[in-house]
Amino acid sequence: GEDVEQSLFLSVREGDSSVINCTYTDSSSTYLYWYKQEPGAGLQLLTYIFSNMDMKQDQRLTVLLNKKDKHLSLRIADTQTGDSAIYFCAESMTGNTGKLIFGQGTTLQVKP
Amino acid sequence: DAGVIQSPRHEVTEMGQEVTLRCKPISGHDYLFWYRQTMMRGLELLIYFNNNVPIDDSGMPEDRFSAKMPNASFSTLKIQPSEPRDSAVYFCASSPRVVAGNTIYFGEGSWLTVV
Repeated sequence: GEDVEQSLFLSVREGDSSVINCTYTDSSSTYLYWYKQEPGAGLQLLTYIFSNMDMKQDQRLTVLLNKKDKHLSLRIADTQTGDSAIYFCAESMTGNTGKLIFGQGTTLQVKP
Repeated sequence: DAGVIQSPRHEVTEMGQEVTLRCKPISGHDYLFWYRQTMMRGLELLIYFNNNVPIDDSGMPEDRFSAKMPNASFSTLKIQPSEPRDSAVYFCASSPRVVAGNTIYFGEGSWLTVV
């Protein structure tokens, strides 16, 4: 079945770059997503990438997709304390059913 | 727009009691999703609706869970009877359509504790 896996925890210093990694199993996924969850809040869409793209950049965020290895990464440049949150990778199900499968989330801790 | 609205935000109930969680999706959104988040299992899709019709309820844990969507602006998730292992954050989310770059908008969640 479909599965999305992430490392559980990442700690960086303020100003450094953060790289959060994700692997997925459904090779026919059309879109892959990164969501951010701050404490006590719901999930907020950060960015997404279409499966025929290798890279997408949006301000401090860079998404890299290696479709051959089914590997997705999110790079946050100049990480700030406000970036501390849980980051979820998600893949869309085939057939555009509207269903997303989420990873277990990576907790990013940014130390001042 | 006010976003996806969920109620209650927090609920503490005793084991065996009925729990009803409510959701108002964003106006005009055709899809509504119920997710459950726990430390052990992460974020799980319980059920989702398209135009008020349940499409996939394979994630509903057992018969104690039921969900309805009587109209386009309201959905409920009911647990009867509740058990301590149901303690979790329950998220409702909605989506305008299922096309390229589908974006799901989440509510703030209902934090349920069953004692």
